[in-house]
Amino acid sequence: DGGITQSPKYLFRKEGQNVTLSCEQNLNHDAMYWYRQDPGQGLRLIYYSQIVNDFQKGDIAEGYSVSREKKESFPLTVTSAQKNPTAFYLCASRDRGLYGANVLTFGAGSRLTVL
Amino acid sequence: QKEVEQDPGPLSVPEGAIVSLNCTYSNSAFQYFMWYRQYSRKGPELLMYTYSSGNKEDGRFTAQVDKSSKYISLFIRDSQPSDSATYLCAIFDEGATNKLIFGTGTLLAVQP
Repeated sequence: DGGITQSPKYLFRKEGQNVTLSCEQNLNHDAMYWYRQDPGQGLRLIYYSQIVNDFQKGDIAEGYSVSREKKESFPLTVTSAQKNPTAFYLCASRDRGLYGANVLTFGAGSRLTVL
Repeated sequence: QKEVEQDPGPLSVPEGAIVSLNCTYSNSAFQYFMWYRQYSRKGPELLMYTYSSGNKEDGRFTAQVDKSSKYISLFIRDSQPSDSATYLCAIFDEGATNKLIFGTGTLLAVQP
């Protein structure tokens, strides 16, 4: 089945530690995205990548880093510089659907809790 | 002004009710409008998308776009307890960023 796999589903981290969230897709999509979701704030864009070896900052990139070495993979590192990292993280990829609409397909999410 | 505004609810309705969910947006150039449904602790899934103005119907769901008012709506007929979820409106910005802009989401509870 085609889809997006995020891991781990749940992650606990001590303050001061970096953690990396994995995102793999087998949909052959070129573009991939990372969003952060907090209660009452909707989805906020962290980073996105339109093509391999290229990525751009989103609205809340500070304290995060990404890489895009392969089309299928777009890992997100939450660094110790991120002041409030506890959140639900969502990875997505983009396909140009019917009528030119740009549809995002999401993974199941990773919930990060900082202790 | 936020690019997309959505009433966060929560909204509680009895089973069988008609539900109306709404968003407003600020940029008249937007053309692609979507509704995502998100169950608790899951990723959002695409429910409906519409290009430009007009209505689109899929079973019990109808998406409506009024570009003159910059207003988008999702109607759910004969609502079911399984419709209980957060509903997110989203607009695709085809400008330089090529990104999807989300509303904050409306939490819907359908009571049996």
